[in-house]
Amino acid sequence: DTAVSQTPKYLVTQMGNDKSIKCEQNLGHDTMYWYKQDSKKFLKIMFSYNNKELIINETVPNRFSPKSPDKAHLNLHINSLELGDSAVYFCASSQVGPSGGEQYFGPGTRLTVT
Amino acid sequence: TQLLEQSPQFLSIQEGENLTVYCNSSSVFSSLQWYRQEPGEGPVLLVTVVTGGEVKKLKRLTFQFGDARKDSSLHITAAQPGDTGLYLCAGTGNQFYFGTGTSLTVIP
Repeated sequence: DTAVSQTPKYLVTQMGNDKSIKCEQNLGHDTMYWYKQDSKKFLKIMFSYNNKELIINETVPNRFSPKSPDKAHLNLHINSLELGDSAVYFCASSQVGPSGGEQYFGPGTRLTVT
Repeated sequence: TQLLEQSPQFLSIQEGENLTVYCNSSSVFSSLQWYRQEPGEGPVLLVTVVTGGEVKKLKRLTFQFGDARKDSSLHITAAQPGDTGLYLCAGTGNQFYFGTGTSLTVIP
């Protein structure tokens, strides 16, 4: 069974569109995250959720909104997509909060905005 | 300014050679983790070091946490093509920070 899964794997869309990426973890973890990995492979945390509460919100545009219907899911919704949003987005989860503990990553979603 | 700087950024070596990757910061971390990311996949944890000066070995990989808990190194002995990937250090404190990454290519 896949521990952390994301859909879709690839997403190609045009500027101005709205899209969502879904993430599910079956590890029973309390904290989930979204990361953005740019073309230089730098991995930057965007959001984390602990028991449905947003505990980290880095300086990302408000066009990005995380939504967590339950502890096992953390979806990422993006409004008015821009060229600069093209990147690989990773979902992750951990048993403890962002101060420590192993993070388990999904396979990533490669977003291409044209 | 990146909190955790890794060097080198890129490394291409022949199979059988040894290499060291460095992860440096001016900040103190509660613990430091090393991940490896293969193409098309997410990072996978290799090791966590917690105590200053701690050394951990994982087969041909040796990880060291600096005495002041500000830096770390990863040494690979007799590199193999299967070691190819992106190596990321990550520091934990109040938050969680990934390093800038080291892309390693081992040529058969």
